[in-house]
Amino acid sequence: KAGVTQTPRYLIKTRGQQVTLSCSPISGHRSVSWYQQTPGQGLQFLFEYFSETQRNKGNFPGRFSGRQFSNSRSEMNVSTLELGDSALYLCASSSGQGIYYTEAFFGQGTRLTVV
Amino acid sequence: DQQVKQNSPSLSVQEGRISILNCDYTNSMFDYFLWYKKYPAEGPTFLISISSIKDKNEDGRFTVFLNKSAKHLSLHIVPSQPGDSAVYFCAAWGGADGLTFGKGTHLIIQP
Repeated sequence: KAGVTQTPRYLIKTRGQQVTLSCSPISGHRSVSWYQQTPGQGLQFLFEYFSETQRNKGNFPGRFSGRQFSNSRSEMNVSTLELGDSALYLCASSSGQGIYYTEAFFGQGTRLTVV
Repeated sequence: DQQVKQNSPSLSVQEGRISILNCDYTNSMFDYFLWYKKYPAEGPTFLISISSIKDKNEDGRFTVFLNKSAKHLSLHIVPSQPGDSAVYFCAAWGGADGLTFGKGTHLIIQP
């Protein structure tokens, strides 16, 4: 069974640009969550999608957005990039009707560097 | 305000001995807890979980203990092996923000 796949693995972008990251969850999983990891802040929740609907959103500015497709694949978009957006972006998928009470499995992440 | 706290940024343990990683939480709504292991530049790998209705869960060398009244959980690794060297994150479900993570404990297993 394939795991969570995130593409690309590495990205370098310039301030002011926008970026789109992709996540393919484990087959059969309908919930996809996104997290940002930085050295100072640890892992922080961005948002969660279930059946193409955003169910939860963390405390990030509107420049961070996402969507989920009918095949459960998800994309995350960051517009008007800032230097502070440099981080490892992680995607996690979960099975079941909701995100609670199940294990979440993570992809390897996308390392975004903003210069 | 940090709702999941791992107060030890690092921990050094001799190979073969027991590693004990601690985690405290403040949100009473949390009711499912997980431990993840992470290597640099990789995503976290799920290790073990525990529901709030239990006080112990065991899986091979890994045991998680939950003390709900103290809002404290711990991960025991016995015996510790060199491959266990990594950053360990405690995480909790139940709040409004998906999985809430602690800032991690870097476990170093010494030969």
